[in-house]
Amino acid sequence: GAVVSQHPSWVICKSGTSVKIECRSLDFQATTMFWYRQFPKQSLMLMATSNEGSKATYEQGVEKDKFLINHASLTLSTLTVTSAHPEDSSFYICSARDRASGSFGEQFFGPGTRLTVL
Amino acid sequence: GENVEQHPSTLSVQEGDSAVIKCTYSDSASNYFPWYKQELGKGPQLIIDIRSNVGEKKDQRIAVTLNKTAKHFSLHITETQPEDSAVYFCAASKGSSASKIIFGSGTRLSIRP
Repeated sequence: GAVVSQHPSWVICKSGTSVKIECRSLDFQATTMFWYRQFPKQSLMLMATSNEGSKATYEQGVEKDKFLINHASLTLSTLTVTSAHPEDSSFYICSARDRASGSFGEQFFGPGTRLTVL
Repeated sequence: GENVEQHPSTLSVQEGDSAVIKCTYSDSASNYFPWYKQELGKGPQLIIDIRSNVGEKKDQRIAVTLNKTAKHFSLHITETQPEDSAVYFCAASKGSSASKIIFGSGTRLSIRP
């Protein structure tokens, strides 16, 4: 089946630093990737939609200068949390839509990255 | 935009009994309804999905039903087992390649031995 990986699986950083999270589709090409964040015991909240070769589309309330997204190839998207603060601590999850999946476009989710900002 | 409501938020059932989770959606244009299982510290995993041209779909102990008129869809798990304990999310999407998936609030299912 389709596999999506994320790296790192967890990261601890100091306040004010930037952190990059990678999302890769391992055995399929993904024209579209999505980034979510999830707080404890809450649902997944979509942050942005990332299309290969174009600018990401951010959801209302998500700062694009804070959360930089780059979808450089059909198998890789990165999320950079810039000048991280403790309130950015969360579980970040990406998903990828298989280019060949047809009109319904099932999404495959990565294992998530837990970010802790001290 | 689309809004997905999910009930109950927590559910505890005896091992071997059935569990039912219900969701409603607001956008009549939604036509793809996936269900995800999320274990602690992991990403969501698709367990079953249904498209709007189908009323019911079954995969072993898991079944999903869809009522387009009422904008309701439900997940049914029969013969529950301890490994079914997890958080389950319903979701809705318009199904095009660029469409967002909107998640419900989640149901924490606990299976009592």
